[in-house]
Amino acid sequence: GIQVEQSPPDLILQEGANSTLRCNFSDSVNNLQWFHQNPWGQLINLFYIPSGTKQNGRLSATTVATERYSLLYISSSQTTDSGVYFCAVSGNTPLVFGKGTRLSVIA
Amino acid sequence: NAGVMQNPRHLVRRRGQEARLRCSPMKGHSHVYWYRQLPEEGLKFMVYLQKENIIDESGMPKERFSAEFPKEGPSILRIQQVVRGDSAAYFCASSGENMNTEAFFGQGTRLTVV
Repeated sequence: GIQVEQSPPDLILQEGANSTLRCNFSDSVNNLQWFHQNPWGQLINLFYIPSGTKQNGRLSATTVATERYSLLYISSSQTTDSGVYFCAVSGNTPLVFGKGTRLSVIA
Repeated sequence: NAGVMQNPRHLVRRRGQEARLRCSPMKGHSHVYWYRQLPEEGLKFMVYLQKENIIDESGMPKERFSAEFPKEGPSILRIQQVVRGDSAAYFCASSGENMNTEAFFGQGTRLTVV
């Protein structure tokens, strides 16, 4: 089945810093989503982005489907950005999740 | 517009009991997915259902686990004779037209087996 790899696995940022999270996948996909799992365990939809670039406030994402990767950019990070960021993809099967990037933003 | 609703949020069961987890998809969504998340791990796919049909159950353990999505009412994930290893967060998601449209997740049910 399709493999999803996320990097880095852990990231510590000072408040106000920028970061880039990466998601590599092993096969062509029809859906790619980025989620934020907050410290309370809730999964929040960030982007539905099988291809192209989208922006939402301080967050933006780019998926290059032909090269099988997606990037999530977080600018001017805040402590509320802390949590785990998951990339998930689907092609011929339902969403397959990566292991996530655990982000800690410190004041 | 309510999102995906799961209940209960927390469930404690003794070993050997049955656990029933419920999921109501977003309004207008007919595709439902169940995932399991162990502590400090990602989400693992279990089963994909449409109304009255199991589409893909490749992630379901062969024994003790079953799922349904009846014509009326919520989707149910049922775990019989629970064991300590079943302790996890169980998430339900739903999507609209097909499995490649945007999926939305419920808040999860945290099952603890004592």
